Amino acid sequence: GAGVSQSPSNKVTEKGKDVELRCDPISGHTALYWYRQRLGQGLEFLIYFQGNSAPDKSGLPSDRFSAERTGESVSTLTIQRTQQEDSAVYLCASSLTSGGGNANTGELFFGEGSRLTVL
Amino acid sequence: QQQVKQSPQSLIVQKGGIPIINCAYENTAFDYFPWYQQFPGKGPALLIAIRPDVSEKKEGRFTISFNKSAKQFSLHIMDSQPGDSATYFCAASKGQGGKLIFGQGTELSVKP
Repeated sequence: GAGVSQSPSNKVTEKGKDVELRCDPISGHTALYWYRQRLGQGLEFLIYFQGNSAPDKSGLPSDRFSAERTGESVSTLTIQRTQQEDSAVYLCASSLTSGGGNANTGELFFGEGSRLTVL
Repeated sequence: QQQVKQSPQSLIVQKGGIPIINCAYENTAFDYFPWYQQFPGKGPALLIAIRPDVSEKKEGRFTISFNKSAKQFSLHIMDSQPGDSATYFCAASKGQGGKLIFGQGTELSVKP
């Protein structure tokens, strides 16, 4: 079946422009994450959506960053007035969190990321 | 409290060697500890995971050792192969479906 799909795979933009990154999670996955990975660095948590609960936005680095999710499907990460330090790979992941002893619960399935370059 | 600290940042071993990657956490509420493997240009993928009710878990050549009192866990790769060359991330969460916090990553290179 289809995995997590992210678009665009590459985006080059000028400083000050807004960008929108899209994530299509695996169908049926209730949880969705956005992470940022700067060159040669770890995975920096940005935001976490879990079902109908209020999202955990504690990782968003500034108010220029926002994310939306429509139900349990597509999510978009928006970066306004981009800065050069926003250059990174933005990774989306989804997981099944149905509990009940499901052995697959909690495993994150990642997309291949959207590489953002801000000139 | 939310951090997971990982070391070393990079590691080079010869084929057949046993690389060891270490992680430490502060938040005692964490109770799920997975390791993810990432190849260049790809997203990370789950390798192996452990809950704190056991001290060791093996899957093939990969072993997690867990020390609850020290709040540390480590990944050992037995008989390492060049194909194991990748970046490895430890992670932790509260509950198996909770928000996953990742370590900084270890870039492993296995020389033929």
